Amino acid sequence: GENVEQHPSTLSVQEGDSAVIKCTYSDSASNYFPWYKQELGKRPQLIIDIRSNVGEKKDQRIAVTLNKTAKHFSLHITETQPEDSAVYFCAVPNTNAGKSTFGDGTTLTVKP
Amino acid sequence: NAGVTQTPKFRILKIGQSMTLQCTQDMNHNYMYWYRQDPGMGLKLIYYSVGAGITDKGEVPNGYNVSRSTTEDFPLRLELAAPSQTSVYFCASSYSRQENTEAFFGQGTRLTVV
Repeated sequence: GENVEQHPSTLSVQEGDSAVIKCTYSDSASNYFPWYKQELGKRPQLIIDIRSNVGEKKDQRIAVTLNKTAKHFSLHITETQPEDSAVYFCAVPNTNAGKSTFGDGTTLTVKP
Repeated sequence: NAGVTQTPKFRILKIGQSMTLQCTQDMNHNYMYWYRQDPGMGLKLIYYSVGAGITDKGEVPNGYNVSRSTTEDFPLRLELAAPSQTSVYFCASSYSRQENTEAFFGQGTRLTVV
């Protein structure tokens, strides 16, 4: 199966700073890389995704970068706000298996 | 669309009891999944289904069973509940293979086995 490592497991930043979370994977055939945000007591929800034909994608304050050669992708949050505090998960597909493997999550705390 | 709906939201079971967690989606998705999330941990896949009549084991299937008689419904059955099954359970669905598209999650079921 797919091996997924997500780092760091916890991240604390001051409001306005940037946050970066990284995921590494093992299956070189993977071609879809989503990031999910889970607020306390809520369900995970997709916040951004990227496909292997591009190296970077931005949506306002969040961006995802992909390095297929090195087999890692990263979530970047700029100008962090307290409402960004949540657990963030990456997911990597198990090619042709119809399912994905999730990272263990990163707990982001944005201090006002 | 209601999306993915799970019932119940909370449940307390005694050791050895059984129960069914219900999951239904109204997005006509072929792919459906059951995950468990232990406190402070990630999502572990229990079972998944790529279409009606087809189910397959995930990472942690022991102690659980599923069925998929319709596209909309994907119930999860716990037989002989054990304290190790205390967790939050999430059902999810996706339009296509999860390797290609996002997963939509239900609101979760918080299960405690005492």
